[in-house]
Amino acid sequence: SQTIHQWPATLVQPVGSPLSLECTVEGTSNPNLYWYRQAAGRGLQLLFYSVGIGQISSEVPQNLSASRPQDRQFILSSKKLLLSDSGFYLCAWSVGDTQYFGPGTRLTVL
Amino acid sequence: ILNVEQSPQSLHVQEGDSTNFTCSFPSSNFYALHWYRWETAKSPEALFVMTLNGDEKKKGRISATLNTKEGYSYLYIKGSQPEDSATYLCARDTGNQFYFGTGTSLTVIP
Repeated sequence: SQTIHQWPATLVQPVGSPLSLECTVEGTSNPNLYWYRQAAGRGLQLLFYSVGIGQISSEVPQNLSASRPQDRQFILSSKKLLLSDSGFYLCAWSVGDTQYFGPGTRLTVL
Repeated sequence: ILNVEQSPQSLHVQEGDSTNFTCSFPSSNFYALHWYRWETAKSPEALFVMTLNGDEKKKGRISATLNTKEGYSYLYIKGSQPEDSATYLCARDTGNQFYFGTGTSLTVIP
């Protein structure tokens, strides 16, 4: 069966610090991978999606970036965090119609 | 409608009551409509995927209907139980992207 891992589960970072969130999927090959963010009081917003290694599409202009160095690994990064980057970050995968979500990372930028 | 909208934003019902909530979405570029249940401290769990106008899906006490022409979907819960307490998300799927609503937060009071 397929599983998706995200880490860390929670993170508190100062403004201006770098960020790296990792997502890995097991039990499937060549999945589509997604990064979503839920800011306080808002719905899930798609940040990036990837259909293959090295292929990243960005949906929202921001100071975040994503990379897919391996088939089942998706990384969300920032060089300098902003206060507005605080939120709940979810990674998801799909092969077919349904997306399956990871456990998420709660990021607080102070 | 430009965005995916869900109503009500929150709902409190007594155990045993039946309830329903609404997801409204733009009817253009429609591929599928997804419902997810998101419990606190867990990742969103897929409930239904619906693609055809008039579709009805059922899983236990939960069911959903779809009207693609007018752009809405209803989620029904019959005989609510405390374990049904969660945020229910709908997502419009254009075939390329998911667009999520902000969710309906359901609290079932024992």
